[in-house]
Amino acid sequence: IAGITQAPTSQILAAGRRMTLRCTQDMRHNAMYWYRQDLGLGLRLIHYSNTAGTTGKGEVPDGYSVSRANTDDFPLTLASAVPSQTSVYFCASSEESGGGAYEQFFGPGTRLTVL
Amino acid sequence: GQNIDQPTEMTATEGAIVQINCTYQTSGFNGLFWYQQHAGEAPTFLSYNVLDGLEEKGRFSSFLSRSKGYSYLLLKELQMKDSASYLCAPMDSNYQLIWGAGTKLIIKP
Repeated sequence: IAGITQAPTSQILAAGRRMTLRCTQDMRHNAMYWYRQDLGLGLRLIHYSNTAGTTGKGEVPDGYSVSRANTDDFPLTLASAVPSQTSVYFCASSEESGGGAYEQFFGPGTRLTVL
Repeated sequence: GQNIDQPTEMTATEGAIVQINCTYQTSGFNGLFWYQQHAGEAPTFLSYNVLDGLEEKGRFSSFLSRSKGYSYLLLKELQMKDSASYLCAPMDSNYQLIWGAGTKLIIKP
């Protein structure tokens, strides 16, 4: 079944540890995104990639890094986790970035708790 | 700054009609999306408006007024499965979606 997968589903992490959240899509979409969703707040964009080999910073990039070595994969790394990074993380993709009705398809999310 | 305003929570009765409003202020505008999100799940696409007016898709319709910075989502013939959060997301001049906190819709029998 085509779509986006994320791993792990959930994780409890000690503060200061390094963590990589994985995201893979098989729809050959050019654009990919990482969001965090916190209670009472809208989705906030962390990083995005308009096409393989390029990345950009979103609204809340500090403490996170991404890479886009190929079309399918877009991992998000927390170099040294802090409790404020406790959140639900969603990866999404769209056929293209830019204007137009390019809906974003979301993965199932990773629930991360940093203690 | 950029701002999205939607009611936090609404309650409606099964079989009825409900309208969820969204007002927005963004740096530029390149269309507006509505998404549905069931508790504990990922958001899923409902509609996209870029021109003023009403777009109808089955039981769901979405309206846009660009001059007023206003949109609404209209849900007809409500079903219990429509209990979810509804997210309004205009696209700014950088083609980034700016997400509202969402409206939690509770459907009662």
